[in-house]
Amino acid sequence: DGGITQSPKYLFRKEGQNVTLSCEQNLNHDAMYWYRQDPGQGLRLIYYSQIVNDFQKGDIAEGYSVSREKKESFPLTVTSAQKNPTAFYLCASRVTTGAHEQYFGPGTRLTVT
Amino acid sequence: AQSVTQPDIHITVSEGASLELRCNYSYGATPYLFWYVQSPGQGLQLLLKYFSGDTLVQGIKGFEAEFKRSQSSFNLRKPSVHWSDAAEYFCAVVDYGQNFVFGPGTRLSVLP
Repeated sequence: DGGITQSPKYLFRKEGQNVTLSCEQNLNHDAMYWYRQDPGQGLRLIYYSQIVNDFQKGDIAEGYSVSREKKESFPLTVTSAQKNPTAFYLCASRVTTGAHEQYFGPGTRLTVT
Repeated sequence: AQSVTQPDIHITVSEGASLELRCNYSYGATPYLFWYVQSPGQGLQLLLKYFSGDTLVQGIKGFEAEFKRSQSSFNLRKPSVHWSDAAEYFCAVVDYGQNFVFGPGTRLSVLP
């Protein structure tokens, strides 16, 4: 089945540690996105990539980093510089032309204590 | 920059009642329009989308939406709500520059 996988579903880290969230897609989509969602909040864009080896900052990129070395993969690193990292993180992908929707992964809930 | 508003933060309806969730956008031309649903702790699932043609769009789970250009609206409707419809609903638009913008969401509660 084609789709987007995010692992793990739940992630726990101590404050001061960097942590990397995985996002893989087998839909052959060019564009991939990372969103952050806090309780009762909408989606806030962290980073996006429209092509391999290129990515752009979204609205809340500070304290996060990404890489796009392969079309299928778009890992997100939450660094120790991110002041409030505890949140639900969603990865998405889409075809970059036309009326194409974003496909979402199941999300990773990160808890930092 | 374009924006999407969903005026209702939280809506409560009784099971079996009809539902309408509002969505308004600001954009000079007709964008591509989407409705997503999100159950707690899950990713977003596409309900339906509009890009051209018939302004009444049918989606999954018995939902439909109507595009009204004059009102810059794309409201989501369902004639009879089921308890399993309780979730968060997001409206989204993408313009011809391929910028994807989500609304803030509307939380739907369903009373038995």
